[in-house]
Amino acid sequence: EAAVTQSPRSKVAVTGGKVTLSCHQTNNHDYMYWYRQDTGHGLRLIHYSYVADSTEKGDIPDGYKASRPSQENFSLILELASLSQTAVYFCASSAGGRSQNTLYFGAGTRLSVL
Amino acid sequence: QQKVQQSPESLIVPEGGMASLNCTFSDRNSQYFWWYRQHSGEGPKALMSIFSNGDKKEGRFTAHLNKASLHVSLHIKDSQPSDSALYFCAVRRQGGRALIFGTGTTVSVSP
Repeated sequence: EAAVTQSPRSKVAVTGGKVTLSCHQTNNHDYMYWYRQDTGHGLRLIHYSYVADSTEKGDIPDGYKASRPSQENFSLILELASLSQTAVYFCASSAGGRSQNTLYFGAGTRLSVL
Repeated sequence: QQKVQQSPESLIVPEGGMASLNCTFSDRNSQYFWWYRQHSGEGPKALMSIFSNGDKKEGRFTAHLNKASLHVSLHIKDSQPSDSALYFCAVRRQGGRALIFGTGTTVSVSP
């Protein structure tokens, strides 16, 4: 099965500080995604990437930046963390081409902004 | 913007019973649908996909798709305690490969 590894698994950050969440996949997948999970909102798409060195905005990109320096790595950056960004963040990857495009998720990063 | 609504929010099912989960989507052009399951403390994992109208069965799980009524459902037969989890339906986002998820249904299987 696809392997997506997120780090750290949990983090406490201060309001106004910078936070970087990392994601590494070993599936040779072209596509990678960042979602956040909040109770009552399900999973919402923040940023995604189809190829290294290129990122796209998802449905809730405000306050977040993304970076894809290689096919395997995808980071989510909070330049100025705010209380409203407290959530669980999930990274996912999927194959390209004519595949079914099932998304494979990591175990998540629980972020608390104080 | 595409939207996905799930019902019920939560469900209690006796062990061995049938659980039925529902999902409605807003975009009539949607074509590709998934059901995901998330156990506590883990990431979501794909249960099954369905792309054509009708039923698709995988083991104890059956998905049903009706594009005309904008509805997809999941039925879990012979529910087990290990089926206790948060279930999401998801639809492929228009113009791309990302998925839009519903808000989820929490299923609790009581022994």
